[in-house]
Amino acid sequence: DGGITQSPKYLFRKEGQNVTLSCEQNLNHDAMYWYRQDPGQGLRLIYYSQIVNDFQKGDIAEGYSVSREKKESFPLTVTSAQKNPTAFYLCASSDPGTSGYNEQFFGPGTRLTVL
Amino acid sequence: KNQVEQSPQSLIILEGKNCTLQCNYTVSPFSNLRWYKQDTGRGPVSLTIMTFSENTKSNGRYTATLDADTKQSSLHITASQLSDSASYICVVRETGNQFYFGTGTSLTVIP
Repeated sequence: DGGITQSPKYLFRKEGQNVTLSCEQNLNHDAMYWYRQDPGQGLRLIYYSQIVNDFQKGDIAEGYSVSREKKESFPLTVTSAQKNPTAFYLCASSDPGTSGYNEQFFGPGTRLTVL
Repeated sequence: KNQVEQSPQSLIILEGKNCTLQCNYTVSPFSNLRWYKQDTGRGPVSLTIMTFSENTKSNGRYTATLDADTKQSSLHITASQLSDSASYICVVRETGNQFYFGTGTSLTVIP
C-alpha cells in the first residue's frame, strides 16, 4: 500500500520532555510538511521540506525541530521549549509535478498530550 | 493577505437531505483548490481538486464548484448519509507551492 504513516497514534509526555513524532511516506514525494491542528482552528504549518537535507520554518516553528535525512522520512521533535504542545499533529507530502494537481496527501495524525 | 474563509462553521442536517458548504479565498496567484473530508481523529482525505479552468467537479455524491473570478467555491453534498458527518476543509494552493487552509465546516448528519 502506498501512503503516509505516522506513529504513534497517541502520545503522552510529561512537561519538560522532548518527544519525536514519526512520519514516513512511500509515495516518492519530494515535499513533506508538518501541521498542527487545534480545535476550531485551521491547520497551521510548523515546518516543511522541499528536498532532502533542506527544510524551512512555517508559521509556528518555535519549540519544534525537524530533520530530512531521507526522502521518505520527516520526523518532528517537539521540544520542551514549546509552551503549549498538546494538539493533533498531521504530516503531509506532495509531489510538485507539472500538472497543477499538486495534491497533499495526509497521514492519520498523532495526538500528543502533555501531562 | 492570503486567506481562506469557510461557512458555515457548523451545520446539522437530516439524513437524506442535501447541503452546500462555502469557501471564499483571497489567495493569489491561484494554482488549485481542494476540498478535504476529515473524520474526527483522522487525517484529511481529498474529495475534489480543481484548477483555474475548471468550474465543476464531482466525486460521487460530492460536487464542487469554482468561480475563479469571484474567488468562491462550494461543496454540495447530495442525499446525505450518516457517514458524511465530518469536518470539511477547503485548501487553496498558490503557484509558489504554499497551501492555505480554511478552518473547516463541521457537518453533523442526524437520522
